[in-house]
Amino acid sequence: DAGVIQSPRHEVTEMGQEVTLRCKPISGHDYLFWYRQTMMRGLELLIYFNNNVPIDDSGMPEDRFSAKMPNASFSTLKIQPSEPRDSAVYFCASSSRGLAGVADTQYFGPGTRLTVL
Amino acid sequence: DQQVKQNSPSLSVQEGRISILNCDYTNSMFDYFLWYKKYPAEGPTFLISISSIKDKNEDGRFTVFLNKSAKHLSLHIVPSQPGDSAVYFCAASYKWFGNTPLVFGKGTRLSVIA
Repeated sequence: DAGVIQSPRHEVTEMGQEVTLRCKPISGHDYLFWYRQTMMRGLELLIYFNNNVPIDDSGMPEDRFSAKMPNASFSTLKIQPSEPRDSAVYFCASSSRGLAGVADTQYFGPGTRLTVL
Repeated sequence: DQQVKQNSPSLSVQEGRISILNCDYTNSMFDYFLWYKKYPAEGPTFLISISSIKDKNEDGRFTVFLNKSAKHLSLHIVPSQPGDSAVYFCAASYKWFGNTPLVFGKGTRLSVIA
């Protein structure tokens, strides 16, 4: 199994540009999570999907951020327009539905390091 | 408001000794706890977990202890090895339709010195 795949691994862009991060979850997993890691805030959840449907996007910082999951094997996180404070490492994670009442382990991708100049 | 706190940003331990990483939580609804390990330029990887019905779970050199009354958990690594040097994240969740997002602490950087 290839694990969770994220692309690009590194992205450097200028303020005001659109940025699109991509994620391919583990096959068979029906939950997908987007996290952001910064020194100040640590790992914070941005949004998560179940069966391609967004369940909770309360962590999305602003309207400049949007996420989609058009099918079970692909998700995007878009920032438009990007700002220097968006610089962070963005992780995608996936998991399967656990047994009733038990949260299943989330498997993380390698992350995308975003730098906005 | 941080629901999961790791108050020690870093920890140094000599090879062969015990490493103890601590984690506190504030939300009494949390009933499932996990530890993740993260190496530079990689995503966090699952290490060990514990359900609130237990107070201890072991997996090889790794043991997690849970004290529900104190809302505290700890990860013990015995013996510590240089390859254990990484950032360790504590995470928590609670039952809700079988899966809920994890709430993470900010991490503790463990350095195991040879």
